[in-house]
Amino acid sequence: AQKVTQAQTEISVVEKEDVTLDCVYETRDTTYYLFWYKQPPSGELVFLIRRNSFDEQNEISGRYSWNFQKSTSSFNFTITASQVVDSAVYFCALSVRDYKLSFGAGTTVTVRA
Amino acid sequence: EAQVTQNPRYLITVTGKKLTVTCSQNMNHEYMSWYRQDPGLGLRQIYYSMNVEVTDKGDVPEGYKVSRKEKRNFPLILESPSPNQTSLYFCASSLSWAAGGTQHFGDGTRLSIL
Repeated sequence: AQKVTQAQTEISVVEKEDVTLDCVYETRDTTYYLFWYKQPPSGELVFLIRRNSFDEQNEISGRYSWNFQKSTSSFNFTITASQVVDSAVYFCALSVRDYKLSFGAGTTVTVRA
Repeated sequence: EAQVTQNPRYLITVTGKKLTVTCSQNMNHEYMSWYRQDPGLGLRQIYYSMNVEVTDKGDVPEGYKVSRKEKRNFPLILESPSPNQTSLYFCASSLSWAAGGTQHFGDGTRLSIL
């Protein structure tokens, strides 16, 4: 069975601080995809990144960066120099060959001006 | 514009009154799925469909039905809704898993069952 754990329920930071969201996953499959989604207060789910299990390169996209470490089964997400618009719920998710997307419980990020 | 469209966006109804939430995608995706989102639980899969006439249960299928008669549509049916089905529902679609499996989500349907 697959499982995704986001241990941080809520994180509150002041604007311009960096914030790191933790994601730990469990699967016996050697081939899988990991995702991060953002859910702003308006409620829609916004795709941020997909990473396959064979690609451990870290990725940076603007102020967002992701650290994938298979050795610790983690796929952490960092927002650098946070802004108020980053306030949202962030979900980490795992997909294996049965197509199911298993989500973590989500981390609510609040960025205060 | 590529999109997944759900209707209605909001619905308040009463226990036992059958309802259908529609989902349509215009990307010719094979795979479609329904999720419900509840506080503290993230999103949980209800049903999914690998292609036309192929559907299977997800983690929380009780009380729900689906059908996939056409590739673009995947309606969610609540035959006899109950208050514990009050939730935020998302439909999603994607290409094959081998192609990356990134799921595109609709904007959500907020259901309240009184």
